[in-house]
Amino acid sequence: QKEVEQNSGPLSVPEGAIASLNCTYSDRVSQSFFWYRQYSGKSPELIMSIYSNGDKEDGRFTAQLNKASQYVSLLIRDSQPSDSATYLCAGISGGYNKLIFGAGTRLAVHP
Amino acid sequence: DGGITQSPKYLFRKEGQNVTLSCEQNLNHDAMYWYRQDPGQGLRLIYYSQIVNDFQKGDIAEGYSVSREKKESFPLTVTSAQKNPTAFYLCASSIDRRNTEAFFGQGTRLTVV
Repeated sequence: QKEVEQNSGPLSVPEGAIASLNCTYSDRVSQSFFWYRQYSGKSPELIMSIYSNGDKEDGRFTAQLNKASQYVSLLIRDSQPSDSATYLCAGISGGYNKLIFGAGTRLAVHP
Repeated sequence: DGGITQSPKYLFRKEGQNVTLSCEQNLNHDAMYWYRQDPGQGLRLIYYSQIVNDFQKGDIAEGYSVSREKKESFPLTVTSAQKNPTAFYLCASSIDRRNTEAFFGQGTRLTVV
């Protein structure tokens, strides 16, 4: 099992809808989790971090962490075409705190 | 401006050559990372360093080497032993091993010609 797994998509949602992105992780991954947004040809940009069970909201973004089920999700409310990008989930693995990424989910928001 | 600077933005390498990618940060971060990204793929960890003069292999370290002689600098050398080096290379840094919110440079796109 990969340490951090994501569905590669594409996930297609209409403008104004809620986009739901999911990520699962293995027993080797623990502690902190992060969501990055990456536009084509650009470097990743940190948009959310979450460290404890439950929800964390920041504007239109909500990150959810469920340690018992080993999944992390990102909800984007009122999706805009400018949200179209690849979303990368990352977690911490191992004693030396390796930052490990999933393969990313491509989101397409259509007008 | 504080940030992470990678150079060059584009790099062309002939087969059999070693090339070095630069990564410099002025954020006073302890931890630094190098990732490789292939088209349509996620980020794979090459090397990382949590402190000066110490670094660890990531998942795909073969054919690469690094040094961490200064806190602000973490150069990556792509050696001739790396058989398929064409990729997008990303450097990141975080405050320390406990605070792992990592921020990225703009990346270097390496092409073998």
